Amino acid sequence: AQRVTQPEKLLSVFKGAPVELKCNYSYSGSPELFWYVQYSRQRLQLLLRHISRESIKGFTADLNKGETSFHLKKPFAQEEDSAMYYCALTRSYSGAGSYQLTFGKGTKLSVIP
Amino acid sequence: DTGVSQDPRHKITKRGQNVTFRCDPISEHNRLYWYRQTLGQGPEFLTYFQNEAQLEKSRLLSDRFSAERPKGSFSTLEIQRTEQGDSAMYLCASSLEFSGVLLYNEQFFGPGTRLTVL
Repeated sequence: AQRVTQPEKLLSVFKGAPVELKCNYSYSGSPELFWYVQYSRQRLQLLLRHISRESIKGFTADLNKGETSFHLKKPFAQEEDSAMYYCALTRSYSGAGSYQLTFGKGTKLSVIP
Repeated sequence: DTGVSQDPRHKITKRGQNVTFRCDPISEHNRLYWYRQTLGQGPEFLTYFQNEAQLEKSRLLSDRFSAERPKGSFSTLEIQRTEQGDSAMYLCASSLEFSGVLLYNEQFFGPGTRLTVL
């Protein structure tokens, strides 16, 4: 069964400190991994996905297949980064069929001024 | 606003009543998903539509739940004989399938409908 684990429910860091939100997954095969973010009173939105290898708002995430992890990192936290972060996976694209997302329980990031 | 919209945003109902939620996806998006999110949990998949066809249903979707997407546009999710355990945020998401690898599976979420069953 596929599963996404985010071990921290809450993570508090000071402004300017490095941030690492942990995500581990269980999946038979090669999944696609995503980080979604939900800011206060806003809808869930995509932050980044591993296949695009991009940095969004200073965040990066590297897929480590050996450790089955996809941790989200940012070198210097900003107050506006305070939000709920969800790690999610789906199967690799192969044409027709559902690509429903399996989410972790989320980590609430609080950046202290 | 050209994003995914959901109506109503909040619904309070008594146990045993039927409720219906509506989702309007981003126009031209051919894929539509319903998720349910309870307190302290991430969203959980309920069902999926490719155009008007409902192609997959989660075991979470009991026979009291039914979803439709007539004409492949908006979708409705109906819950019959609501129970207190149905209280949750119901999220709709849409995406567009095309051949580009990088963008094929970005799901755009609506604001959700919060259901409270008394």
